[in-house]
Amino acid sequence: DSGVTQTPKHLITATGQRVTLRCSPRSGDLSVYWYQQSLDQGLQFLIQYYNGEERAKGNILERFSAQQFPDLHSELNLSSLELGDSALYFCASSAGTALNEQFFGPGTRLTVL
Amino acid sequence: AQSVSQHNHHVILSEAASLELGCNYSYGGTVNLFWYVQYPGQHLQLLLKYFSGDPLVKGIKGFEAEFIKSKFSFNLRKPSVQWSDTAEYFCAVIPFSGGYNKLIFGAGTRLAVHP
Repeated sequence: DSGVTQTPKHLITATGQRVTLRCSPRSGDLSVYWYQQSLDQGLQFLIQYYNGEERAKGNILERFSAQQFPDLHSELNLSSLELGDSALYFCASSAGTALNEQFFGPGTRLTVL
Repeated sequence: AQSVSQHNHHVILSEAASLELGCNYSYGGTVNLFWYVQYPGQHLQLLLKYFSGDPLVKGIKGFEAEFIKSKFSFNLRKPSVQWSDTAEYFCAVIPFSGGYNKLIFGAGTRLAVHP
């Protein structure tokens, strides 16, 4: 158990819908990272938040957005879903910058039908 | 574009065989290097990391990796694998780009160890 929790574990939805994935970092960690893992793209960095502020952006689509709340939990919002958005979405947390070890959550498996 | 290449997508070994998984990255500046492992049904875990100093890095569970700057490589090794090493292994790089923020992963190598 890494100490990072993600909900839900599985999510099945239809094209065009909007979903919210939730992540709670390890106690004391200020940084939260979101990753997408798919068969064709591999493990891709989406976005990082540090203490409530966006710190870095990766290959995140405009239909996707994220935020980190004052209690440091984070949510990833995916809208206008397409079949290709089906993937495993991981959250990770670290004490500070990305140089610190990142601890990964179990992931949310999103299936878009 | 910055990228990480892992040469083998699938590796099958017998117990006690030696392991070497290749990893190359494409970035000319300062980098920090990692190997993560994902056991079946589990989350990603850090095996080892290299920031600076001795290019031969030792990690958990008997794994080590060697950073060869001239070859842009960071290969993972283990002298004698066990069945419990069956997992997927990811090489990752953080390039310095106005800060160290983005962890760039390779495609992963699935290792199957047969008893």
